[in-house]
Amino acid sequence: EVQLVESGGGLVQPGGSLRLSCAASGFTFSSYWMHWVRQAPGKGLVWVSRINSDGSSTSYADSVKGRFTISRDNAKNTLYLQMNSLRAEDTAVYYCARSDSYSGSQLDYWGQGTLVTVSS
Amino acid sequence: SYVLTQPPSVSVAPGKTARITCGGNNIGSKSVHWYQQKPGQAPVLVIYYDSDRPSGIPERFSGSNSGNTATLTISRVEAGDEADYYCQVWDSSSDQGVFGGGTKLTVL
Repeated sequence: EVQLVESGGGLVQPGGSLRLSCAASGFTFSSYWMHWVRQAPGKGLVWVSRINSDGSSTSYADSVKGRFTISRDNAKNTLYLQMNSLRAEDTAVYYCARSDSYSGSQLDYWGQGTLVTVSS
Repeated sequence: SYVLTQPPSVSVAPGKTARITCGGNNIGSKSVHWYQQKPGQAPVLVIYYDSDRPSGIPERFSGSNSGNTATLTISRVEAGDEADYYCQVWDSSSDQGVFGGGTKLTVL
């Protein structure tokens, strides 16, 4: 059974940093692209970032470019999102999701999400 | 950047057909995926590549995509279909994912 379990969320002050993790199991992690998608309270889904299978290629939403870094450790079956210079508008539930290893493919499995709250 | 436009809400009586649209410039040239999200839950893929259904998704769910509009159709709507629905594409020019704003489906 495919499982994605996020962790690392919490309360952080504006300007602070946080690292999210997504532990994957039930599939060959190194064969899939991985994504982060966020959802502010009461709002819609927003794509944040993706990383290819071996970690050599990444892309970001304009709103997080230069502040967030996506990475993966295929030996540990874990996806990460390093979030720096956090702002109030980054407050959201962050989901990790997987897709097939080519651009344009669907996000077929999602984790349950981890809440990040940026507030003083 | 590429923009997807969905109606904020759609209402339908049980047993009828619901159609949720997703508008975008020449969206027919892109692959559209649809997700269902119920309150407090993670999104679930219900349609991929315009019209394919993942295993476990009822045949009542179907999709189409042409011109500037993609459509998710839910036939014989049930109370359990009440949820938020999101369309999504990949914008190859910016190498970014894009979601529509979401549509709340209400079953009357």
